[in-house]
Amino acid sequence: GAGVSQTPSNKVTEKGKYVELRCDPISGHTALYWYRQSLGQGPEFLIYFQGTGAADDSGLPNDRFFAVRPEGSVSTLKIQRTERGDSAVYLCASSSDPSGEQFFGPGTRLTVL
Amino acid sequence: SQKIEQNSEALNIQEGKTATLTCNYTNYSPAYLQWYRQDPGRGPVFLLLIRENEKEKRKERLKVTFDTTLKQSLFHITASQPADSATYLCALDLNSGYSTLTFGKGTMLLVSP
Repeated sequence: GAGVSQTPSNKVTEKGKYVELRCDPISGHTALYWYRQSLGQGPEFLIYFQGTGAADDSGLPNDRFFAVRPEGSVSTLKIQRTERGDSAVYLCASSSDPSGEQFFGPGTRLTVL
Repeated sequence: SQKIEQNSEALNIQEGKTATLTCNYTNYSPAYLQWYRQDPGRGPVFLLLIRENEKEKRKERLKVTFDTTLKQSLFHITASQPADSATYLCALDLNSGYSTLTFGKGTMLLVSP
C-alpha cells in the first residue's frame, strides 16, 4: 500500500511569509508525528497527534508553529512569519502503535530566503 | 540534560566485514530504543526496536544490543555490502508512555567494495 506522503517536496518562501506543509499518513494509522531535521542533525520532535488531538506539542519551538489534524488523517503544519532559521527538512511520520515503529514520509524541504 | 551520542565521524569499512555503530545516552531511562536507516534526501526507515528488558535482538544480518547499565546500544551489520552505506540513527523514547522519539545525530556508514 501507499506510504506516508508529504507535499510539497520543496518550498521556497521569503522571510515573514506564511507556509503550510501537508502530510498524508498511512491509512488507518492513528498516531502522527512531525519532526524537523537540519543538515547533519537527527530529526527533532515537534508534535504528536493521537487521532484528531495533539497529545504532545512540547517540541513546537514557538507560537509561530501550529499543526492540525481535523479528521484524524491528513495533517497540516503551519508556520507564520517565517524566519531564515526555520529552513530545514520537515518530516512527517505515522504509526499504528504509539510505542512501535514509525513510518516516515520523504519530507518537505523548506527554504526561507 | 538529556543527551544521545553517536559517532559523528563516518565509519569506513570493507565489504564483507562487520560494521559496529554505537549509541550512548545520558540522563534517560528509555523503555525502548529504535534504530533507523536514512539515505540522502529520504526519510528514515525503521530497522529494529529493542526494549529495556531485552539484551539482544536480531533481524537477518542486523543485531542490536541494549545495555541499560552502561546506557549504550550497539548496532551490528554482518557481512556488510555497499548497499548498506547510509546514515544510521538511534532513537529513544522519552519514557512518557507513547512514542515521542529523541534521535541522535546519526553515524554515516560507508562500505567499499
